[in-house]
Amino acid sequence: AQSVAQPEDQVNVAEGNPLTVKCTYSVSGNPYLFWYVQYPNRGLQFLLKYITGDNLVKGSYGFEAEFNKSQTSFHLKKPSALVSDSALYFCAVNQGGKLIFGQGTELSVKP
Amino acid sequence: DAMVIQNPRYQVTQFGKPVTLSCSQTLNHNVMYWYQQKSSQAPKLLFHYYDKDFNNEADTPDNFQSRRPNTSFCFLDIRSPGLGDAAMYLCATSRQDRTKNIQYFGAGTRLSVL
Repeated sequence: AQSVAQPEDQVNVAEGNPLTVKCTYSVSGNPYLFWYVQYPNRGLQFLLKYITGDNLVKGSYGFEAEFNKSQTSFHLKKPSALVSDSALYFCAVNQGGKLIFGQGTELSVKP
Repeated sequence: DAMVIQNPRYQVTQFGKPVTLSCSQTLNHNVMYWYQQKSSQAPKLLFHYYDKDFNNEADTPDNFQSRRPNTSFCFLDIRSPGLGDAAMYLCATSRQDRTKNIQYFGAGTRLSVL
């Protein structure tokens, strides 16, 4: 079975600093990896995905993620965090059309 | 320009009283999903439709049913809600290639059971 893990329940960052939200995966075959963000009492919003090609994927709102096959990681990054980036972030792998989510990481960006 | 619309946003029901949540989409996607999300946890897939084909997850309780009368609409029926069914229910859609395509989520319906 395919799975993803987000080792940090919470990440705290000062506004303007770079941020990283970690994700590792365990899949057989080619991984189809996604990042979603969820604001309070809202649905999930798609940020970016890795299917194939360049290991550095650029997405919405200035976010990017680096696919690292040797480390089986797909960390989400942003060069300069905003207070408005504070939200719950989910990494996911697509297994036969089903999204298998990590447990989520709460990102808090303080002014 | 909401593309996946869930109604109502908040639903309160009584223990054991049937409740229906609705989802509509303007994307003309042929795949629709229902997820259950409990407080700050990852969403858990309940079932999905690929066109008219219903696909139930093995661990989805029989208490949860779904209907998809046409491409645009999908309903989640909870026949006898228990206190443990209080959660956010998320509807999502995607295009035919379910593996690679993005799932688009609605804003969710938060269900409270009294």
